[in-house]
Amino acid sequence: SQLAEENLWALSVHEGESVTVNCSYKTSITALQWYRQKSGEGPAQLILIRSNEREKRNGRLRATLDTSSQSSSLSITATRCEDTAVYFCATDAEGGRALIFGTGTTVSVSP
Amino acid sequence: GGIITQTPKFLIGQEGQKLTLKCQQNFNHDTMYWYRQDSGKGLRLIYYSITENDLQKGDLSEGYDASREKKSSFSLTVTSAQKNEMAVFLCASSIRGAHEQYFGPGTRLTVL
Repeated sequence: SQLAEENLWALSVHEGESVTVNCSYKTSITALQWYRQKSGEGPAQLILIRSNEREKRNGRLRATLDTSSQSSSLSITATRCEDTAVYFCATDAEGGRALIFGTGTTVSVSP
Repeated sequence: GGIITQTPKFLIGQEGQKLTLKCQQNFNHDTMYWYRQDSGKGLRLIYYSITENDLQKGDLSEGYDASREKKSSFSLTVTSAQKNEMAVFLCASSIRGAHEQYFGPGTRLTVL
């Protein structure tokens, strides 16, 4: 079974709008990361939020973490066409030596 | 900064063939990883290596071999390619003990 998963398969928004991607996980964690993967590229980290943090910001990105419900969200404000990508959450696997990735949410931003 | 290079970018093989994928990183990272990404699915760990000559199996290691002969390189061998194996193979590296992983652009495998 998935140890981490995003809640929606795909989202579509228009440029300038905000979008939120949600993720749930099933194990205790030390940290949760959000990655973005553009077409033809490997994933790239956007934000890391530790288990003792509730919110983390990076420019137009805001991540939240709720350890009681084992869920996280990534919000993007003022979206741009170049934000079009697949967004993954990733948590530490047991032993902390590798990551467990969710299946990803495709975000499409149109002009 | 650094970069991860994966070769080849596209790999086409015959069913039953032994195929090798290569990965090089110049971050000087200790730990390297191989993931498989199937269409519409997340990344699944095949092998990882904490340091030169170390190998650790991931959840998907059956049917694969890996080799870490140098700190900068990590290769993955598909021992007998199967048609249901068509996927993108992603290599990544990280500082030992760090959370963030840096990914290469991937090798897309097609099995005929």
